[in-house]
Amino acid sequence: NAGVTQTPKFQVLKTGQSMTLQCAQDMNHNSMYWYRQDPGMGLRLIYYSASEGTTDKGEVPNGYNVSRLNKREFSLRLESAAPSQTSVYFCASRSGRDTQYFGPGTRLTVL
Amino acid sequence: SQKIEQNSEALNIQEGKTATLTCNYTNYSPAYLQWYRQDPGRGPVFLLLIRENEKEKRKERLKVTFDTTLKQSLFHITASQPADSATYLCASQGSSNTGKLIFGQGTTLQVKP
Repeated sequence: NAGVTQTPKFQVLKTGQSMTLQCAQDMNHNSMYWYRQDPGMGLRLIYYSASEGTTDKGEVPNGYNVSRLNKREFSLRLESAAPSQTSVYFCASRSGRDTQYFGPGTRLTVL
Repeated sequence: SQKIEQNSEALNIQEGKTATLTCNYTNYSPAYLQWYRQDPGRGPVFLLLIRENEKEKRKERLKVTFDTTLKQSLFHITASQPADSATYLCASQGSSNTGKLIFGQGTTLQVKP
């Protein structure tokens, strides 16, 4: 039981490049979330998926897109990376008891 | 707008003492509050959840309180150990029942031997 896994762990992009962050969970949870964490800002919700086939915007969705590929996988795409998107990205899934389980994070630097 | 605030200043205490962290919320009444622990370079890990109809909850050396009058939650670690050093995040339910959480900035606890 791996919990929530994320790939890659580290990534460096140039401004304007695109990339997809992958997330998978093996706990059979319906809801999944993408957050970004910046110093002094706490965790901010980018997008979430309440169930397979549905996605919705969070607090800071601009510049991102998501795909809920199936119940296990929820990916986050940066179409044209900007330096302001330099951050640590966390994926999480939610149990039926309202607690969230987080992945190890992806550290992204946009030059 | 809904807001969660934690003391952004680091908390330094001596081993064996009780650490108390504060979480305040404004402009709404969450059905529950949660506390997470985050170690450097890692994702947050769930510790405790307390619902609005519960005054207090305990788990081993951890205790959480929820005061709906003061709009505040307190998180206590008794008999603290250097291994308790980490950042602690408070989170509350958002306005809708989608499981969305609103997080505070976190408080870093340093327990000195």
